[in-house]
Amino acid sequence: DSGVTQTPKHLITATGQRVTLRCSPRSGDLSVYWYQQSLDQGLQFLIQYYNGEERAKGNILERFSAQQFPDLHSELNLSSLELGDSALYFCASSVGGTSNEQFFGPGTRLTVL
Amino acid sequence: ILNVEQSPQSLHVQEGDSTNFTCSFPSSNFYALHWYRWETAKSPEALFVMTLNGDEKKKGRISATLNTKEGYSYLYIKGSQPEDSATYLCAFYAGNNRKLIWGLGTSLAVNP
Repeated sequence: DSGVTQTPKHLITATGQRVTLRCSPRSGDLSVYWYQQSLDQGLQFLIQYYNGEERAKGNILERFSAQQFPDLHSELNLSSLELGDSALYFCASSVGGTSNEQFFGPGTRLTVL
Repeated sequence: ILNVEQSPQSLHVQEGDSTNFTCSFPSSNFYALHWYRWETAKSPEALFVMTLNGDEKKKGRISATLNTKEGYSYLYIKGSQPEDSATYLCAFYAGNNRKLIWGLGTSLAVNP
């Protein structure tokens, strides 16, 4: 158990809908990262927040947005969902920035029908 | 464009064999190199974060070396066991880029 929690574990929804994925980092960790893993794809970095501020952006679509709240938990919002958005979404946290090891949550499996 | 390459893509070894694989990354603006182990149906788990040229790190039967001047890192597993079967990912952090660039991983299968 890494200490990072993600909810929900599974999510099934329809195209065009909007969903919110939630992540609670390990106690004391200031950075939160979001990743997407699609079928047969590697780990794709989406976005990083550090202590409430956006720190780095990866291959995040404009339909997706994220934020980190004062209590350091983070939410990833996915809107106008398409079939291709079906994937495993991981959240990870680290004490400081990107030179620190990241602790991954169990992931949220999103299925768009 | 920053690119991280891992080789081989996959590897099958017998229990007890020692093995190694490579992570290649740009040699400029180096800041850190991460290794993660990712077992099927689980989440990636950090093995090492390496920052200094010539660094060697060890965790049990797994060790890693780093050459920042030529842009590569090796991961070694001594006496592979079936429980070592996993995908091993490396990720490169360039100080001016603020994000980890991930390789596609080496998938290791250890046959009993």
